[in-house]
Amino acid sequence: DVKVTQSSRYLVKRTGEKVFLECVQDMDHENMFWYRQDPGLGLRLIYFSYDVKMKEKGDIPEGYSVSREKKERFSLILESASTNQTSMYLCASSFGGLADNEQFFGPGTRLTVL
Amino acid sequence: AQSVTQLDSQVPVFEEAPVELRCNYSSSVSVYLFWYVQYPNQGLQLLLKYLSGSTLVKGINGFEAEFNKSQTSFHLRKPSVHISDTAEYFCAVGTNTGFQKLVFGTGTRLLVSP
Repeated sequence: DVKVTQSSRYLVKRTGEKVFLECVQDMDHENMFWYRQDPGLGLRLIYFSYDVKMKEKGDIPEGYSVSREKKERFSLILESASTNQTSMYLCASSFGGLADNEQFFGPGTRLTVL
Repeated sequence: AQSVTQLDSQVPVFEEAPVELRCNYSSSVSVYLFWYVQYPNQGLQLLLKYLSGSTLVKGINGFEAEFNKSQTSFHLRKPSVHISDTAEYFCAVGTNTGFQKLVFGTGTRLLVSP
C-alpha cells in the first residue's frame, strides 16, 4: 500500500514563528504536492515538486516555501506564521509527469496560528 | 486554465436513496477527470477517474460517474447510499498538456441519515 505520512496531525503555533510541516512517502514517487484545504474553498495548490531539489509554485505560494532534499521527503515551511495561515494542510504524491496518475494523500495537518 | 464547479456545498439524503453529486468543468484542452472522497479526519482517496474511452466510469464503493463532453460535466452517482458514505467529495480536473497538476472543486458534503 502506498503510504503518505505527515509529521503532525495537529499543530498550534504563535504568530511570527517559523513552522515546518514534513511529508514522507514510501512509494518512490517522483511528484509531491502541498495543498491547503479551507471550508468553501476546496483544495488549493501551494507548491509542488517533480524531482529532488526541484520545486514549482502552485496557485497560492505567498508566505510559504518548500524543500525537497530527498526523493521521499517534501517539507513545507512557513517563514513567519500568520493567523491567515490557519488551515488544514494536505500533502500528496504521485508517479510520473502526466495528469492521469492518481495522487495519494496524507491524513493532513491541522495548523492553528494564534 | 481549467476550473471546476461543484454547485452543491451540501447534499442531505436518506439511507438507501439514490444520490447525484454534480460537477462541471471548463477547459480549452482535453481533460482528465477525477472524483476523490474524504472521510472525516482523513486525507483524500481516489473514487474513480476518467482518462479516455467509455464515458461511464465505475469506481469503488458502488459509485459511478458519466463524462459528458457537450455539457462539460462529470456527475457522480450512486443508486443506494449507506450511512458510511457520509463524507466530503471533491471533483478534480487535469490536462494532458504540461506537468501534472489538478484543479479541485470546492467540495460537496454528502450527509446520509437513517
